[in-house]
Amino acid sequence: SQKIEQNSEALNIQEGKTATLTCNYTNYSPAYLQWYRQDPGRGPVFLLLIRENEKEKRKERLKVTFDTTLKQSLFHITASQPADSATYLCALRRQAGTALIFGKGTTLSVSS
Amino acid sequence: EPEVTQTPSHQVTQMGQEVILRCVPISNHLYFYWYRQILGQKVEFLVSFYNNEISEKSEIFDDQFSVERPDGSNFTLKIRSTKLEDSAMYFCASRGYRDSNQPQHFGDGTRLSIL
Repeated sequence: SQKIEQNSEALNIQEGKTATLTCNYTNYSPAYLQWYRQDPGRGPVFLLLIRENEKEKRKERLKVTFDTTLKQSLFHITASQPADSATYLCALRRQAGTALIFGKGTTLSVSS
Repeated sequence: EPEVTQTPSHQVTQMGQEVILRCVPISNHLYFYWYRQILGQKVEFLVSFYNNEISEKSEIFDDQFSVERPDGSNFTLKIRSTKLEDSAMYFCASRGYRDSNQPQHFGDGTRLSIL
């Protein structure tokens, strides 16, 4: 069955540093991969989508890479701020249909 | 910016009772979803709905669950006879376009507590 692994459950970094989060998947060749942010008690908020033919995508301080050979996506937040503290979820589309499968998430804490 | 709204924000129900969770998706969206998240666990897909019928469902979505779009704006999830293990956050999501590469927009969820 399709599996998504986000290797770190928690990541603590200092303000101003770059946070790098990892998402690995197995038993699937997705056409695209999505990243969401989730704050405590809130629903996921869409951040970025990257397609299989795109190596890299950027949006302001966010950067996502997608390596279909390694079956891995990296999510970077540069010049991190305490307001970036949240749980970040990686998601792939289910093989049959349009619904999403989520990883468990990585909780990022940025200290000032 | 348009958003998905869910009511109630918190529902407390006795085991065995029926519960209906309500969602108002973004107005011009065509695809609707329910997900759940048990405390401390990952977001899990339950069901998707398009063109007034279920288009896909997970193994979690068994006979005790049903969905409905009773009018042009609401999308509901009914749990017929709740169990303790149904306690979770339930998220509604919607998507606008036929292109499945478009992101889903989530509401802030209903916290369902079964006593």
